[in-house]
Amino acid sequence: SQKIEQNSEALNIQEGKTATLTCNYTNYSPAYLQWYRQDPGRGPVFLLLIRENEKEKRKERLKVTFDTTLKQSLFHITASQPADSATYLCALDLNSGGYQKVTFGTGTKLQVIP
Amino acid sequence: EPEVTQTPSHQVTQMGQEVILRCVPISNHLYFYWYRQILGQKVEFLVSFYNNEISEKSEIFDDQFSVERPDGSNFTLKIRSTKLEDSAMYFCASSLGYTDTQYFGPGTRLTVL
Repeated sequence: SQKIEQNSEALNIQEGKTATLTCNYTNYSPAYLQWYRQDPGRGPVFLLLIRENEKEKRKERLKVTFDTTLKQSLFHITASQPADSATYLCALDLNSGGYQKVTFGTGTKLQVIP
Repeated sequence: EPEVTQTPSHQVTQMGQEVILRCVPISNHLYFYWYRQILGQKVEFLVSFYNNEISEKSEIFDDQFSVERPDGSNFTLKIRSTKLEDSAMYFCASSLGYTDTQYFGPGTRLTVL
């Protein structure tokens, strides 16, 4: 069966360091992968999308890599700040008949300690 | 910046009652979605909607659920005969194209008593 796995444990890092979050998937061949941020009681907020033919994508302090051979994406936040504390969700598209059916991972809770 | 809006922010209902959750997607978007998130669990896909019909639905989206675009701006999720286990956050999302990013609303917290 198809599965998306993210670090189930919370990730605590010191302010200023780089946070690296992992998303592994099995039995998928996604056309693209997305990362979202979710704060408690709020909806997911889109951060980055990376397509299967892209190895890396950057946006300000964020970087995403996508290795379709390893079936893994890494999400990096450089120079992390306490405001980056949130749950980060990996989402894959199960493109079925041309329509989106996005499946989310359980998320990794990031805590940036001042 | 355009955003998806949802009303109400919190809905409390008695078991067995019908509820309608409302969403206003981003105005030029063509694809619409509903997701739910039970407290402490992951965001789950319910249904996608395009060109006035359901394009995909999950096994969660049974006969109890229906969606509608009653006019040019609103997108609704109706839950008939609510059950305790329907208590969750319900998120609406929209995208421009079918491979484009989905933008989420702030959610409606549904509490079934």
